[in-house]
Parts: sequence; structure tokens; C-alpha cells
Amino acid sequence: GAGVSQSPRYKVAKRGQDVALRCDPISGHVSLFWYQQALGQGPEFLTYFQNEAQLDKSGLPSDRFFAERPEGSVSTLKIQRTQQEDSAVYLCASSLGANYNEQFFGPGTRLTVL
Amino acid sequence: EDKVVQSPLSLVVHEGDTVTLNCSYEVTNFRSLLWYKQEKKAPTFLFMLTSSGIEKKSGRLSSILDKKELFSILNITATQTGDSAVYLCAARDTGNQFYFGTGTSLTVIP
Repeated sequence: GAGVSQSPRYKVAKRGQDVALRCDPISGHVSLFWYQQALGQGPEFLTYFQNEAQLDKSGLPSDRFFAERPEGSVSTLKIQRTQQEDSAVYLCASSLGANYNEQFFGPGTRLTVL
Repeated sequence: EDKVVQSPLSLVVHEGDTVTLNCSYEVTNFRSLLWYKQEKKAPTFLFMLTSSGIEKKSGRLSSILDKKELFSILNITATQTGDSAVYLCAARDTGNQFYFGTGTSLTVIP
């Protein structure tokens, strides 16, 4: 496929569990973004990668959130010791270059923490 | 604090009506303003605006940016039921952060 893909599409976790969310950006896209979208809200920026470098992680809400992109392509967002307030859709987006505005979004992972 | 505010929060119109959606922003080191359409899935890109006063058009949709007054509008003419969606506005800064508004939910009634 030519688009951004994310997996799993849905994840239900018990409070306290660790989860890992995967993003496969469009091949060749340099920039990768993670967003958290709560119900009825716009996406909130979490973190940004340029290739394998995490240039901005200022949006990560706590030290329970960790993201990596070790080879500059696939990225994983990990949430440790999940809490109910982590329930949201996690969107990944990629863009062609470092200074290219158009972001292509994946379908998102809907995380529900019970 | 950097922020983007959209209005109205929701809008219900009849097919054929024209709508104007508003987006105001306060972003340090502003670079560009983007509009997205979000149906029950991920946002899809509509427009990117970087210069004041230059209208971008795509079919029945158009948008313009005012960098002095820090706002943008998205116009949709001759609305159709397929235009029903949440329209998101985002401001990008020079550090590559994107700040999204909460969106305007548009419902077009046949």
C-alpha cells in the first residue's frame, strides 16, 4: 500500500499494562509525527522524528510515553503502565521532507484502557 | 501558549448552502496554516497557506490566510452531503510542530 499504516487498529488494555503502537510511514518519507486525539478534540502533538532522530518530544504527556524510530522508517510508540486517561486515538503522520508541509495520516490506533 | 481556535464548533446546513469556517491562531514562529477534512478516519489534507491574501481553491472549497489578523477561513460553496465531516485547522511553526484546533463539525442535510 502507498499510505501510512498503523497497527493494531484497536487495542484494549487493562490499567497498568504496557502497550506498543506501530506506525509504518510512506516509504521514503523523512518526517514522522505522533498525535493523540481524544474524542471530540483535534489531534494533539506528541513527538516528531526526522529520519531516526527524535527532534521534538515536548508533547509526550509523561515519562510513561516513549517513542522510537531506530532505522528511520517504522516507528513505535510505547506507553507504560497505561491509565484510563491514555484512552484516545493515536495518529501517526508522515511527510516527504523536513520542511514539507503536507502530512499524510494513518488510520490511527484506538486505545481503550479499562 | 501556542494555540489554534476554530469556530463555530458545529454547523448544520442544507444542501446548496455556502458555509464559512473560521480559524484563529497564536503560534510563535508561525510558518504555515493547514486545513484538513476528517471523516470517521484520519484527517486528509485540503490546503496549505503561507502567504496573506492569496486564495487557494479546489473545486467548491477555497481558503485564505490573514497573517496580520492571525486567522484563516475555509469556504465551501454549494454544499453537498458528502461535505459532512470535521474540518480541522492546524498551524505549523518553524520547529515543525503542528498545533491543531478542535475542529468544526459540519453536517449537510439533504
